[in-house]
Amino acid sequence: AQTVTQSQPEMSVQEAETVTLSCTYDTSESNYYLFWYKQPPSRQMILVIRQEAYKQQNATENRFSVNFQKAAKSFSLKISDSQLGDTAMYFCAFINGGATNKLIFGTGTLLAVQP
Amino acid sequence: AAGVIQSPRHLIKEKRETATLKCYPIPRHDTVYWYQQGPGQDPQFLISFYEKMQSDKGSIPDRFSAQQFSDYHSELNMSSLELGDSALYFCASSTRALAGAQYFGPGTRLTVL
Repeated sequence: AQTVTQSQPEMSVQEAETVTLSCTYDTSESNYYLFWYKQPPSRQMILVIRQEAYKQQNATENRFSVNFQKAAKSFSLKISDSQLGDTAMYFCAFINGGATNKLIFGTGTLLAVQP
Repeated sequence: AAGVIQSPRHLIKEKRETATLKCYPIPRHDTVYWYQQGPGQDPQFLISFYEKMQSDKGSIPDRFSAQQFSDYHSELNMSSLELGDSALYFCASSTRALAGAQYFGPGTRLTVL
């Protein structure tokens, strides 16, 4: 079975600092996709960043970047220059195989950005 | 840019009643997914459709059914509602060109009393 593990239920960071959220996954497939989704208090699910397994280069979207370690099956999210609006639940998610397959989510990390 | 539309946003039902949730995907997206998120939980996959055909099925109760129509909108029908069905129901849409990225609607919050 494919699983996604987020070992940090809660994290806190000071505004303007950098924080890294951890995620590991398990699969026997060679083709898969990894994502980080943000869920603020509004409960909207917002796609933050994505990574295709066959791409070695780490994805970056403005202040958000990932550290994709394929051999270790690790996919961490780094948030630089943290802002108050980054306060949210962050879910690591994974699609195994075909691009139109279902998302499998981790249990989430609740990030609080402190002023 | 157009987003996924879900209606209604909030729904309150009594036990044993039925509910219908609607989803309008982003234009030109050919795949629709339904997820259920219970309180304090991560979203769980229910069912998906590709080009109006069911493409995958997750832990969806037999009391639930869904379909995708010719205009690509989708409906999730829920019958004999139970207290445990109270949750946030998300619809997401995608297309192959997006390499797996699924875009979520705002969700429908269903409360069963």
